[in-house]
Amino acid sequence: GESVGLHLPTLSVQEGDNSIINCAYSNSASDYFIWYKQESGKGPQFIIDIRSNMDKRQGQRVTVLLNKTVKHLSLQIAATQPGDSAVYFCAENRSGAGSYQLTFGKGTKLSVIP
Amino acid sequence: DGGITQSPKYLFRKEGQNVTLSCEQNLNHDAMYWYRQDPGQGLRLIYYSQIVNDFQKGDIAEGYSVSREKKESFPLTVTSAQKNPTAFYLCASLDRGGYSNQPQHFGDGTRLSIL
Repeated sequence: GESVGLHLPTLSVQEGDNSIINCAYSNSASDYFIWYKQESGKGPQFIIDIRSNMDKRQGQRVTVLLNKTVKHLSLQIAATQPGDSAVYFCAENRSGAGSYQLTFGKGTKLSVIP
Repeated sequence: DGGITQSPKYLFRKEGQNVTLSCEQNLNHDAMYWYRQDPGQGLRLIYYSQIVNDFQKGDIAEGYSVSREKKESFPLTVTSAQKNPTAFYLCASLDRGGYSNQPQHFGDGTRLSIL
């Protein structure tokens, strides 16, 4: 979704449901994408990454989907738990292969309702 | 335990004062980064260093300075020229070994406020 001013897009889900967080990226030359989780007052924590030669990658309770045609990335969290409440950022590497710089999205706040 | 340590956790700056934020890593990573995060915003790159004794400006370098004299340390100075320094500052490092991309690893940040 779109962020307006200081307000992050927010997703509220019931505990135990699945969550889907979306991200549109900007650079068609980007070949590496990362999802980070940031809890209040802490630094971003790596969740999962994916390279552009893949469409899907699974981790523990998380799945990342990449659609290069429409430059879209999504993070799916299965059986969402209260500890999943945080802000989630997507990041893409800049300028394609070999770049060590990232461009970050504005983030989505996930709130889990017990 | 390997990781990135940022200090202090909270810092206050007076008008006209320079302050220095510390970032130390024991991950043996070559590359280090400084980001600024404002409320409800993504991370914006201030400076980065891919190797000791070398660093480059990021997107918002004005009013900031860095040094990289040691592999494990990348301090950031917020100078008096930075007129809006209130933000959450994040340091990250990256293992550049090999061609395959790796994720950046982050410290837990320093929150800087104006007195």
